[in-house]
Amino acid sequence: QQQVKQSPQSLIVQKGGISIINCAYENTAFDYFPWYQQFPGKGPALLIAIRPDVSEKKEGRFTISFNKSAKQFSLHIMDSQPGDSATYFCAASIGNDYKLSFGAGTTVTVRA
Amino acid sequence: DAGVIQSPRHEVTEMGQEVTLRCKPISGHDYLFWYRQTMMRGLELLIYFNNNVPIDDSGMPEDRFSAKMPNASFSTLKIQPSEPRDSAVYFCASSDRKSSYEQYFGPGTRLTVT
Repeated sequence: QQQVKQSPQSLIVQKGGISIINCAYENTAFDYFPWYQQFPGKGPALLIAIRPDVSEKKEGRFTISFNKSAKQFSLHIMDSQPGDSATYFCAASIGNDYKLSFGAGTTVTVRA
Repeated sequence: DAGVIQSPRHEVTEMGQEVTLRCKPISGHDYLFWYRQTMMRGLELLIYFNNNVPIDDSGMPEDRFSAKMPNASFSTLKIQPSEPRDSAVYFCASSDRKSSYEQYFGPGTRLTVT
């Protein structure tokens, strides 16, 4: 079974709007939470990542919010642009174990 | 750097045939990963290597799948015999653990088994 549950499966947002993707996990040993972005026909690429010692990390229009007690983390895409249309995967791993457990993915479509 | 290189980009084969997928990781990276992506199961880690040594192959679906890394610049994933349910996109990724946890993915090989 998937160790990281991701929702929604897909979302449509208007240009300039906010896209929000949520992920939840059970394994409290996870200590690294990256988000990967994948365009059609391409491999996933790291977008942004966070560790549980911070509650929020921002890089440009992308922000990760992390709630350790709830075992949840989310990706916010501010001022969404058509070029942000892609599939986004959350993931998690444990310190010395290099294996990434991926969520099921969210397909984001930004309408101009 | 050219990034992770995979070949072929597309492969169509008949059930029962042997399929070999190839990967060249980024120079200097000491970790190499093989993933499979399908609509039903998402992104699954099949196996990963550290310094050419297989570390964890628990994701390999069955004995029909095998992977090798004869040197630091080349890895193969072989399926023998192939079955229609093996149809998927197979990704290779590499990483330099000393500098970051980021995994760099190749463009993938789309495999269709008829």
